[in-house]
Amino acid sequence: NAGVTQTPKFQVLKTGQSMTLQCAQDMNHEYMSWYRQDPGMGLRLIHYSVGAGITDQGEVPNGYNVSRSTTEDFPLRLLSAAPSQTSVYFCASSRRRDSSNYGYTFGSGTRLTVV
Amino acid sequence: KNEVEQSPQNLTAQEGEFITINCSYSVGISALHWLQQHPGGGIVSLFMLSSGKKKHGRLIATINIQEKHSSLHITASHPRDSAVYICAVVETSGSRLTFGEGTQLTVNP
Repeated sequence: NAGVTQTPKFQVLKTGQSMTLQCAQDMNHEYMSWYRQDPGMGLRLIHYSVGAGITDQGEVPNGYNVSRSTTEDFPLRLLSAAPSQTSVYFCASSRRRDSSNYGYTFGSGTRLTVV
Repeated sequence: KNEVEQSPQNLTAQEGEFITINCSYSVGISALHWLQQHPGGGIVSLFMLSSGKKKHGRLIATINIQEKHSSLHITASHPRDSAVYICAVVETSGSRLTFGEGTQLTVNP
């Protein structure tokens, strides 16, 4: 099925461990982004990409790295996990950077707990 | 102060009631999105609008650009409508989405 695929769905990490959250889309969308969702707060943008080879920081980028080597994939790396990174993470894509004309497709989310 | 404010934060209704969720924003926008997040966590796009009104089934979304306000209406509400409804805006200064905190809707049978 066409859409945004996120893996894993659940993950528990120990403080200091690193890991990569995977995000892949098969809709040939130019724009991809990562958000985190915390209780009492709206989704916040971590990093985004407007095309292969182009990435930029969002609102809360510290502690995270991204790369976009292909149009399809946009992995999010946690370099050294901290309890403050316990959250639910969503990947989303849109056909174009100018999302005023195109809707967003969201992945199903990754629930990450850092102990 | 958040750039996107939703009200109410929580809403409980009886099946069949007409429901309104409000979204106000303080920045210039090129579009506004209404999203639905079910208890399982997945997020689904309901509407994207930049002016006027859109309707899909029992859902209606309106926007008033001059007043910087949008509403999401649900007619003849049903327990399966229970979810978190999220308003998000695309600022004219860029392509990013800025999200409201969401409205938790519970529809009782």
